Amino acid sequence: DGGITQSPKYLFRKEGQNVTLSCEQNLNHDAMYWYRQDPGQGLRLIYYSQIVNDFQKGDIAEGYSVSREKKESFPLTVTSAQKNPTAFYLCASSTADSFNQPQHFGDGTRLSIL
Amino acid sequence: AQKITQTQPGMFVQEKEAVTLDCTYDTSDPSYGLFWYKQPSSGEMIFLIYQGSYDQQNATEGRYSLNFQKARKSANLVISASQLGDSAMYFCAMRERGGGNKLTFGTGTQLKVEL
Repeated sequence: DGGITQSPKYLFRKEGQNVTLSCEQNLNHDAMYWYRQDPGQGLRLIYYSQIVNDFQKGDIAEGYSVSREKKESFPLTVTSAQKNPTAFYLCASSTADSFNQPQHFGDGTRLSIL
Repeated sequence: AQKITQTQPGMFVQEKEAVTLDCTYDTSDPSYGLFWYKQPSSGEMIFLIYQGSYDQQNATEGRYSLNFQKARKSANLVISASQLGDSAMYFCAMRERGGGNKLTFGTGTQLKVEL
């Protein structure tokens, strides 16, 4: 089945540690996105990529980094510079040129500080 | 200013009744799209329905329909014949033509369907 796979489902980070969240899609979508969701809040855009080897900062990019070396993959690294990383992280993908097409989401990764 | 406003943090509805979830938006872009997503407690985001700014008719998808009032900049989601499985968080989101493929989300409405 086509879809988006995020791993791990739960992740714990120690102080000063970088951690990487995985996002893989087999929908053949050009565009991919990372969102952060805090309890009781909507989704906020961290980074997005419209095409391989290119990505742009979203609204809350500080303390995060991404890469897009393959069309299928868009990993997110939460660096030690992100002082409040505890949140639910959602990855999404979409076609790049269809304005009325929805973004499709993975099941998310819950990140907590140890 | 908030681009997407959902003023109802929580709503209750009886099973089999209809419920309206409010969404207002703010944009100066004449071309935009509005999306509604459902988020169950498990966390995944499920796409429900889409309305384009130039669509002449209100969108419908099964038990979901959109009450789109362009002049008022509102795009309220109507769920008919509520079911227990409709209990979830509901998010309204907007994509502007001039903003690329980015979606801006509201803060959501928690819907609880009761027997």
